[in-house]
Amino acid sequence: TQLLEQSPQFLSIQEGENLTVYCNSSSVFSSLQWYRQEPGEGPVLLVTVVTGGEVKKLKRLTFQFGDARKDSSLHITAAQPGDTGLYLCAGSYNQGGKLIFGQGTELSVKP
Amino acid sequence: DTAVSQTPKYLVTQMGNDKSIKCEQNLGHDTMYWYKQDSKKFLKIMFSYNNKELIINETVPNRFSPKSPDKAHLNLHINSLELGDSAVYFCASSRLAGGTGANVLTFGAGSRLTVL
Repeated sequence: TQLLEQSPQFLSIQEGENLTVYCNSSSVFSSLQWYRQEPGEGPVLLVTVVTGGEVKKLKRLTFQFGDARKDSSLHITAAQPGDTGLYLCAGSYNQGGKLIFGQGTELSVKP
Repeated sequence: DTAVSQTPKYLVTQMGNDKSIKCEQNLGHDTMYWYKQDSKKFLKIMFSYNNKELIINETVPNRFSPKSPDKAHLNLHINSLELGDSAVYFCASSRLAGGTGANVLTFGAGSRLTVL
């Protein structure tokens, strides 16, 4: 059973386009994180959200935590080839608890 | 300076062999992990150690044995390798983020294991 569903699994777009990646669950999470993984490397933390409805911005990336803390989204504005990578959401049920990862969204941004 | 380093980066071996992957972190974190990433890029936790004590042991065959000689090191030994063990194995360490209480993971670059 996949506890965190990410969609879409694959996304191929042109430079300059906008996109949104979704991370959904039927469970309530204490916190949710987004990581980005490049080929041959380990995932790197982008953001942590903990409050229902919270919105965080990181340059062209906007992260939102759902009001009920069961889902999250990642929106990228004016995507660039450097945004290419595997985006992973990960949730924790309690403070300091283990992280459960979604299956990832592979993003390819073509020049 | 590499924060979480694991060796080797690539490992190709025959079925039935025994192999080890080593991991070291210089971040001063108390907790270390082993994750397995399969061919579909799904990242699944295998083990977690806090200050050398095993705290998470997911449903992993007992051919996999982690060892933590001190809190900066967590090694993974695999006996009698099988084809299905082929994957990328990631070591990670974590700290609790101040204010959020969330575990923030720092990953190594991964060790790609291919069993022939």
